[in-house]
Amino acid sequence: GQNIDQPTEMTATEGAIVQINCTYQTSGFNGLFWYQQHAGEAPTFLSYNVLDGLEEKGRFSSFLSRSKGYSYLLLKELQMKDSASYLCASRGNDYKLSFGAGTTVTVRA
Amino acid sequence: SAVISQKPSRDICQRGTSLTIQCQVDSQVTMMFWYRQQPGQSLTLIATANQGSEATYESGFVIDKFPISRPNLTFSTLTVSNMSPEDSSIYLCSATGLAGAQYNEQFFGPGTRLTVL
Repeated sequence: GQNIDQPTEMTATEGAIVQINCTYQTSGFNGLFWYQQHAGEAPTFLSYNVLDGLEEKGRFSSFLSRSKGYSYLLLKELQMKDSASYLCASRGNDYKLSFGAGTTVTVRA
Repeated sequence: SAVISQKPSRDICQRGTSLTIQCQVDSQVTMMFWYRQQPGQSLTLIATANQGSEATYESGFVIDKFPISRPNLTFSTLTVSNMSPEDSSIYLCSATGLAGAQYNEQFFGPGTRLTVL
């Protein structure tokens, strides 16, 4: 099985940086995914990490440490439109995704 | 990347009836999955849709309640049978293994919002 833990809520100011941490326990690891989900919409793929280190994509970066079962999603230069739920998901060798409960990020002016 | 479409986007159904949800991917993919997201909760995997064979169901989900078809590499259906209000949820199709080789992305369809009265 895969146990995924991430904070429930985070609040930050427009233009600031927020880091969303995720820890996972897995019996077989085949990648760590981050998704953004706005209310009433489907999850949108943000990032995928399978090797240790930092992957940068514009304002969003994702980090993975396999030995620690740890990942984070870093959102820089926050914009109001970044207010959403961010889902951490680990994938097993069977390609099934197990999701955390999601972190609701609120960006304030 | 792949684009996934689902039909219907939403429906309101009566208790005891069945609804079939269609999922179409614009490219051939190796793996297709069906997830459920109940209000205010995260996503739960229902089953893996296997091409040419029976779907693989997760604990708590059975074929009689959620029959799944996958006739080819781009299309799948999920039926919610003998519905009850507890089945009210968003049902999402997901896919990975684009062109049989790209597993570094996993996409979701827009979801089907089901309300059972």
